[in-house]
Amino acid sequence: DSGVTQTPKHLITATGQRVTLRCSPRSGDLSVYWYQQSLDQGLQFLIHYYNGEERAKGNILERFSAQQFPDLHSELNLSSLELGDSALYFCASSAGTGGEQYFGPGTRLTVT
Amino acid sequence: GQNIDQPTEMTATEGAIVQINCTYQTSGFNGLFWYQQHAGEAPTFLSYNVLDGLEEKGRFSSFLSRSKGYSYLLLKELQMKDSASYLCAVMGRTDKLIFGTGTRLQVFP
Repeated sequence: DSGVTQTPKHLITATGQRVTLRCSPRSGDLSVYWYQQSLDQGLQFLIHYYNGEERAKGNILERFSAQQFPDLHSELNLSSLELGDSALYFCASSAGTGGEQYFGPGTRLTVT
Repeated sequence: GQNIDQPTEMTATEGAIVQINCTYQTSGFNGLFWYQQHAGEAPTFLSYNVLDGLEEKGRFSSFLSRSKGYSYLLLKELQMKDSASYLCAVMGRTDKLIFGTGTRLQVFP
């Protein structure tokens, strides 16, 4: 158990819908990262927040947005969902802005 | 641009030693990481190298050569539970951690 929690564990929804994925970092960690993992793409970095501020952006679609709240938990919002958005979404946390990242158990999103 | 290469699949026998190689090209370098991932589960942190040389941690060791853009993960005394994907990841000049596509290791009895 890494200490990073994610909810929900599984999510099934229809195309065009909007979902919110939630992540709580390890106690004391200020950084939260979001990754998408699909079968054909590997683990893709989406976005990084540090202490409430956006720090770095990867290949995150405009339909996706994220934020980190004052209590340091983070939410990833996915809207206008498409079949291709079906994937495992992982959140990770780290103490600072570098160093090892610890991953949560992931949310498996299925878009039908 | 950034590019990370590692073999797609490897096989080995229980009790043996296996070396998984990773080569990378990145804009800047702030560390190389190895993660283990069992199918459908979260990646778990194995090792972190930022300076050249070998880092040993129990049955697992990781080596880095920054001048060659090369790292390897060495797994000794292989166990069946070591069957998993091993992900090489590099943090470049920004805070983005870029992952390779992973090496799927199968350990046979």
